[in-house]
Amino acid sequence: ETGVTQTPRHLVMGMTNKKSLKCEQHLGHNAMYWYKQSAKKPLELMFVYNFKEQTENNSVPSRFSPECPNSSHLFLHLHTLQPEDSALYLCASSQGGNSGANVLTFGAGSRLTVL
Amino acid sequence: EDQVTQSPEALRLQEGESSSLNCSYTVSGLRGLFWYRQDPGKGPEFLFTLYSAGEEKEKERLKATLTKKESFLHITAPKPEDSATYLCAVPLWGGSGAGSYQLTFGKGTKLSVIP
Repeated sequence: ETGVTQTPRHLVMGMTNKKSLKCEQHLGHNAMYWYKQSAKKPLELMFVYNFKEQTENNSVPSRFSPECPNSSHLFLHLHTLQPEDSALYLCASSQGGNSGANVLTFGAGSRLTVL
Repeated sequence: EDQVTQSPEALRLQEGESSSLNCSYTVSGLRGLFWYRQDPGKGPEFLFTLYSAGEEKEKERLKATLTKKESFLHITAPKPEDSATYLCAVPLWGGSGAGSYQLTFGKGTKLSVIP
C-alpha cells in the first residue's frame, strides 16, 4: 500500500448508529487531517493532529470524535449523526507538521450517508 | 475578512479550446497559493504551489501564475482527461485556541472538456 488509504469507501448509517472511519498513511508524514467535503461548499477542515497531538478542532460537534494512536493512523468515530452530516470525509497527511503551508496528500475519501 | 474565491463555478470547453480559471484571494502576507485537481470519487491531488507575485509554474498543459490579488490556472489545448474539479487554497489564520495557519480552500471550478 502506498499513499493515504481510507476505509470504508462508502458507509450508510442510521442516526442512532456508531461507526468509525479509518485512515492510514504510508508516507512517513507527521501531520494528519480530517476534512469534510459537502456539495457546493469548500473543503472544511475538521481536525489536525501533529505528531499524534491534536492541534486543531474547528468547532466540530462532539458527535464526531477523532483518535490518532500514532503518526500513521487516524480514526474518526461517529455517533448519533444527523442527515446533514452526509458528506465525503477526506483524510490527508503532510510532512513537516501542520504549518498550513505544507503540501497535503489526500486519501480517496469515505462517502458517508446518514439516513 | 480573509477569503478565497474561485471562478467560474463550472466551465465547458471543446477539446483544444484554451482557457483560464481564476482564484482570487484577500489575505495579508501570502504564505503560498496551492492548486489541486480532484477527479470524481477521489481526493484532491496536488498540482502547484506559488509563493510570490510574478511566479509561474507549468505541468503539461497547465500553467499557474500569481499576482498580488489572484492566481490563474491556464489550460492550453485541453484534452478530455483534463476534466476535473480544480481547487485553489491559501493558508489563512484561524482555528481554535491559540490559532494557527490552516489551508483554506475555494469552492473549486468544475472543468469539462468535450471531445
